[in-house]
Amino acid sequence: DSGVTQTPKHLITATGQRVTLRCSPRSGDLSVYWYQQSLDQGLQFLIQYYNGEERAKGNILERFSAQQFPDLHSELNLSSLELGDSALYFCASSVGQGYYNEQFFGPGTRLTVL
Amino acid sequence: QQQVKQSPQSLIVQKGGISIINCAYENTAFDYFPWYQQFPGKGPALLIAIRPDVSEKKEGRFTISFNKSAKQFSLHIMDSQPGDSATYFCAASRVDNDMRFGAGTRLTVKP
Repeated sequence: DSGVTQTPKHLITATGQRVTLRCSPRSGDLSVYWYQQSLDQGLQFLIQYYNGEERAKGNILERFSAQQFPDLHSELNLSSLELGDSALYFCASSVGQGYYNEQFFGPGTRLTVL
Repeated sequence: QQQVKQSPQSLIVQKGGISIINCAYENTAFDYFPWYQQFPGKGPALLIAIRPDVSEKKEGRFTISFNKSAKQFSLHIMDSQPGDSATYFCAASRVDNDMRFGAGTRLTVKP
């Protein structure tokens, strides 16, 4: 158990809908990262927040947004969902903001868009 | 845009054998190279990582070999065990925190 929690575990929704995925980092970690894992694209870095501020951006679509709250939990919002958004979404956390900090991954949220 | 190429896609080795997974990168701005291990139904977990100022790093049965001039790095698993059966991802990261992953290698260690 990495200490990172993600809810929900599974999510099934329809095209065009909006969903919110939630992540609680390990105690003491200030950075939160979001990743997408799909059969087509593999593992892709989406976005990083550090202590409430956006720190780095990867291949995140404009339909997707994230934020980190004062209690350090983070939410990933996915809107106007398409079939191709079906994937596993992982959250990871680390102590610092640097790219060499060990990241601890949560168990993921499996999103299915029908 | 695939910036990290990983091979093989799948690998089967006998218990006690050596598993070797190779990766190549394109962008010379990458300067942190982690390997992740992922079991079914779980998130990836950091296995071992290397910076380009060293050519080899060993942790237990796991070794990373790094060739900066060739822009290649590899993971060697010595004395492979059935419990090592998992998917392994190489990755490359840089100062802007944009981490790129290889496509993954599914390792099966037969008893």
